[in-house]
Amino acid sequence: GESVGLHLPTLSVQEGDNSIINCAYSNSASDYFIWYKQESGKGPQFIIDIRSNMDKRQGQRVTVLLNKTVKHLSLQIAATQPGDSAVYFCAEVTSGTYKYIFGTGTRLKVLA
Amino acid sequence: SAVISQKPSRDICQRGTSLTIQCQVDSQVTMMFWYRQQPGQSLTLIATANQGSEATYESGFVIDKFPISRPNLTFSTLTVSNMSPEDSSIYLCSVEGGQANYGYTFGSGTRLTVV
Repeated sequence: GESVGLHLPTLSVQEGDNSIINCAYSNSASDYFIWYKQESGKGPQFIIDIRSNMDKRQGQRVTVLLNKTVKHLSLQIAATQPGDSAVYFCAEVTSGTYKYIFGTGTRLKVLA
Repeated sequence: SAVISQKPSRDICQRGTSLTIQCQVDSQVTMMFWYRQQPGQSLTLIATANQGSEATYESGFVIDKFPISRPNLTFSTLTVSNMSPEDSSIYLCSVEGGQANYGYTFGSGTRLTVV
């Protein structure tokens, strides 16, 4: 099997429940944040992004919350489905640079 | 967003040998990035490859170990040289111009095992 996610923290969620995945970012100068989903055997896929002048942004079934005071980012997935099983990474970027800093990742496991 | 084709998708290599990974994009992009993802870990940027100039390497990565080519705006290669088991990782290329301002698109990766 694939090695991605073997040693990452795991969140197990019942199908249909909501999932909350957390991320602490490191650079107070970061002003753009992205969540990526990485399924087994694939590269990371963009889910949703948020700028530092916002504290919440909603997409389809996903919501990202940003708390700059404590440098914390969360991804909420509503009505979690088996297809949501993957490793989720947050990434931070500072405007004017191109370098992503990736968080450690969380493996989401959806239980039937 | 751009579509990336990365080859090979996986390989098992003998220590001391080298492997060249190819990344082909279906559109012209200025910046291409190479990442390493060690087993069970997050992604670490190896280097940034711009066409017409030498790649810019991140701390801990050197050109002799990871030479990069960028002959045009749609193609790049990363070579992992003189491999050791510690080089066993997933290697990913990425390009700018994804779904958001900084939402880069990633290839599916090359899963390298060094024995």
